[in-house]
Formats: sequence, C-alpha cells, structure tokens
Amino acid sequence: DSGVTQTPKHLITATGQRVTLRCSPRSGDLSVYWYQQSLDQGLQFLIQYYNGEERAKGNILERFSAQQFPDLHSELNLSSLELGDSALYFCASSADGQHTDTQYFGPGTRLTVL
Amino acid sequence: AQSVTQPDIHITVSEGASLELRCNYSYGATPYLFWYVQSPGQGLQLLLKYFSGDTLVQGIKGFEAEFKRSQSSFNLRKPSVHWSDAAEYFCAVGFQKLVFGTGTRLLVSP
Repeated sequence: DSGVTQTPKHLITATGQRVTLRCSPRSGDLSVYWYQQSLDQGLQFLIQYYNGEERAKGNILERFSAQQFPDLHSELNLSSLELGDSALYFCASSADGQHTDTQYFGPGTRLTVL
Repeated sequence: AQSVTQPDIHITVSEGASLELRCNYSYGATPYLFWYVQSPGQGLQLLLKYFSGDTLVQGIKGFEAEFKRSQSSFNLRKPSVHWSDAAEYFCAVGFQKLVFGTGTRLLVSP
C-alpha cells in the first residue's frame, strides 16, 4: 500500500458525460501527479500540482482539468467524454515535487466510457 | 523527442532462472531513470531509481539495474526469479514528468 488513495475504483459512464476522479496523497506529500494509462497510448503524464499550484503540464486535453485543494487532495475532471478516454487514471504523490522525489502511485481509477 | 523503448512485450522465465528486462531511452540529457512494477489490479510500485553515481543500482525484492550511458540503457536484472515476480514492468525516465515505456509482461513458469 503506497498510502495514496483514489476514488472511485471503477467508473462507467456514457459519451458526452463529465466525471470527477479524486486523489488523496500520502500524508505529508505536497505534490500530486496525474497519469493516464490506455491500451493505445500507454502511460502518459497529464499534470502535476504542488501545494495547490500547477507545476507541470503534459499531454492533457483541454476537456480535462485538475486542481489541488488546500487540504492537498486533488481532483481530475474529465468532460465531454469520448470512447477513447476509457483508461486507467493514476494519481501519484511526492514529498516536494522536486526532481529527486520518488513518486508513489495510487491503485488507479478505471474509467469506462460507453 | 523523449522516448523509452522496452523491446520485449512479453517474457517467460522459469522459476529460479535469471531475468533481464531491457530498456533504452532517448532524452536530451541524462535523465533520472526508474523501474516500476505493476501487479494486476494494483498501482505502480517503485523497484529502483538512478540519479547519479554508481551505475549499478540495487532495488527492492532482489532487483538491480545497470545504467550504461554509452548505450542509453537501463536494464533490470534479477538473479533468481520467483513466481510472485510475475507482473508488468515499466521503465521510466525523466525528471518531474516521467516518460514511461510500453511495459514488459513477465510470466514465470514452474
């Protein structure tokens, strides 16, 4: 158990809908990362937050947004969902968001878009 | 462009035999290097990482990896595989934004 929690574990929804994925980092960690794992794209970095501020951005679609709250939990919002958004979404956390930090991954949320 | 290549999609190893999983990367500078393992239904667990210094890195569960700058490689090794090592292994490079390979699925035969 990495100490990173993600809810829900599974999510099934329809095209065009909007969902919110939630992540609680390890106790004391200030930085949160979101990754998408899909069959065709593999594991891709989406976005990083540090202490409530966006720090780094990857291949995140404009339909997706994220935020980190004062209690350090983070939410990834996915809107206007398409079939291709079906994937496993991982959250990771690290202590300070520095280059040398180890990222600890949560168990993921599996999103299925029908 | 930054990329990570894991040329073996699947590898089958007999229990007790040695293992080597290959990883090659393309990056602007020498990045930090990582190996993660993903068991079914689980998140990714860090096995080991290389930042600098000794190019042979020891990790958890008896794994080690060797960084070879001249070959842009970071291969993962284990001298004797256990059935519980069956999982998917990902090589990753980068700094804060990790770039992952496509993974190698390890099957362990009795």
